[in-house]
Amino acid sequence: EAGVAQSPRYKIIEKRQSVAFWCNPISGHATLYWYQQILGQGPKLLIQFQNNGVVDDSQLPKDRFSAERLKGVDSTLKIQPAKLEDSAVYLCASSLAGATWETQYFGPGTRLLVL
Amino acid sequence: QQQVKQSPQSLIVQKGGISIINCAYENTAFDYFPWYQQFPGKGPALLIAIRPDVSEKKEGRFTISFNKSAKQFSLHIMDSQPGDSATYFCAAVSGGYQKVTFGTGTKLQVIP
Repeated sequence: EAGVAQSPRYKIIEKRQSVAFWCNPISGHATLYWYQQILGQGPKLLIQFQNNGVVDDSQLPKDRFSAERLKGVDSTLKIQPAKLEDSAVYLCASSLAGATWETQYFGPGTRLLVL
Repeated sequence: QQQVKQSPQSLIVQKGGISIINCAYENTAFDYFPWYQQFPGKGPALLIAIRPDVSEKKEGRFTISFNKSAKQFSLHIMDSQPGDSATYFCAAVSGGYQKVTFGTGTKLQVIP
């Protein structure tokens, strides 16, 4: 079974630039998550989708971060404009609907460096 | 904001020894307490989890001990192996959408 796919794997940008990350969840997984993992810290949930709808975006910095999940499958996370403190690994995860955390599988992440 | 505090930050254990990682949580609203293992360049993977009405759970070489009154739980890795070298995160699950709140992580190195 294919896992969660993410691209790009690495990205280096300058502050104030824009960047977008892409995630393709495991087939059949209705729930999709984006996490931010700063070096030396645990992952922090940014946004959780159930199919197309957002169920939790309480920790998403909405002035600069946005995410969408078209057709309930792939998702993109965008940062515009980026700040130095956005340097982190951005992890995408997916799970089956109704059986969330136990069936949550993570992708390899996109490592972002903002200079 | 609900938090999970984890210690130590890093740990070096001899092969065959016992690795112990500790976590503490701040309130009683959590429903499950999982542990995750993360290798470099990979996302975290669920290792083992416990419910708050259980004091201990064992799966192979991995054991969770849970102390509800102290709001603490720990991961014990018996007969630690070099392949166990990874970063371990404790976590807590809460809410209707089962939000996972992660600890800060422990980098474990098992030396031969």
